[in-house]
Amino acid sequence: VQLVESGGGLIQPGGSLRLSCAASGFAVSSNYMTWVRQAPGKGLEWISVLYSGGGTYYANSVKGRFTISRDDSKNTLYVQMNSLGVEDTAMYYCASAVEREHAFDIWGQGTMVTVSS
Amino acid sequence: EIVMTQSPATLSVSPGERATLSCRASRSVSSNLAWYQQRPGQAPRLLIYDVFTRATGISARFSGSGSGTDFTLTISSLQSEDFAVYYCQRYNSWPLSFGPGTKVEIK
Repeated sequence: VQLVESGGGLIQPGGSLRLSCAASGFAVSSNYMTWVRQAPGKGLEWISVLYSGGGTYYANSVKGRFTISRDDSKNTLYVQMNSLGVEDTAMYYCASAVEREHAFDIWGQGTMVTVSS
Repeated sequence: EIVMTQSPATLSVSPGERATLSCRASRSVSSNLAWYQQRPGQAPRLLIYDVFTRATGISARFSGSGSGTDFTLTISSLQSEDFAVYYCQRYNSWPLSFGPGTKVEIK
C-alpha cells in the first residue's frame, strides 16, 4: 500500500501546476482521498478531499483555484493548481483514509511546490 | 470555522518519562478527533482517531482521551523515536483542520 506524489517544482506567481499521486495496493476510486500541504517550517494545512462517490470539498484558501480529481484507470489522484501565489509554496502530501473516514492513515512522501519569481 | 489550539508549543521530556499533550477546539467536535506524529523530513503518521482508537500498528504507549472541546494525547515512557511534532486534527465539519502542533523534544 503506497502513495507516490509527483509534479512539484518551481513555478512563477500566477502560474499553474498539476500534482499527481499514484496509488498502489488499493484503489483511489474506493477510498476517501485528500491533499494536505505544509509550508516550510509550518504546520499541516488540509486543502481538499475527493470522496469515492465523486464529491469534493476545498479549504477556503484554495477554493476556486484548485481542483481535485482522479483517473481510476491510472489509479491516480490529481490536484490542478491555478493562480498560484507565494503563499502556496509548500510540501504537498496526498493521503487516504482507509481505516476510518476523515482520519488519514496512508500518506505519500510529498512533492515540493515553490512559487517564486 | 472551528479553531484548534495545542499546548504546549514545545514539550521537553526525558527518555522514559511520560508526555501529556493537549488539544482544544473552539467549539465541540464531539469525538471526531485524530492525532498524528511527524518526524523530521517525514510525512505525518496517523496515531489515533475517534479520540482514543489507536490506528493499526500503533504502540500502546500512545493513548488518547477527551471529548467535546478538550483532548489529550499521552505518550507513556518516551522512546527516542517518539521525539517529533504531534498534530491534532478535527473532522466533524468542513473545512477539516489541524492544530498548530506540539514539538516533543529531548530534555
